[in-house]
Amino acid sequence: GESVGLHLPTLSVQEGDNSIINCAYSNSASDYFIWYKQESGKGPQFIIDIRSNMDKRQGQRVTVLLNKTVKHLSLQIAATQPGDSAVYFCAEMVTGGFKTIFGAGTRLFVKA
Amino acid sequence: GAGVSQSPSNKVTEKGKDVELRCDPISGHTALYWYRQSLGQGLEFLIYFQGNSAPDKSGLPSDRFSAERTGGSVSTLTIQRTQQEDSAVYLCASSSRGDQPQHFGDGTRLSIL
Repeated sequence: GESVGLHLPTLSVQEGDNSIINCAYSNSASDYFIWYKQESGKGPQFIIDIRSNMDKRQGQRVTVLLNKTVKHLSLQIAATQPGDSAVYFCAEMVTGGFKTIFGAGTRLFVKA
Repeated sequence: GAGVSQSPSNKVTEKGKDVELRCDPISGHTALYWYRQSLGQGLEFLIYFQGNSAPDKSGLPSDRFSAERTGGSVSTLTIQRTQQEDSAVYLCASSSRGDQPQHFGDGTRLSIL
């Protein structure tokens, strides 16, 4: 399939290690944040979200951390697997709005 | 269950031709979005529909681009007099309302020769 994001920041991790992907968001009014995963040739897929009344939310093998003070978001993937290799995008929104601002994306490579 | 469906999955056309891209959102989703993704780039917002109306068309790159949505369901994105810089993946997404996670289709890969 077509490669996405050939010039994106890249994170390379060993299988089994934990991964941390960071994102700085731009709008101080944003109060809803989403992480998406995009595999080659596919559309982005929802992973996890968090609203601004929380600073941490956990899913299955993934955790999102939100620091509103410095407008920073991170995605932690535990025990990274080869199937986690993809481009990861953060996105920010304002509740009640519709405009979604996507970050530039980070490519995650998982070495077996 | 059915997700967001886009057609065609690939389109190759000559410069100057018109193209029409189609998006079938998830049934019941009132919000529909079009994005453009060029190689090495993130997602560029094009247009948003709430029902059949488009409150924000500010992302459309030029007047050669237009979009419509009928019956609160299917949407078409039309590019007239295509140019080589229009080559990209065009992604459609839908959500149950504007400030909910979006569900994406796999896109239409448009190549202008």
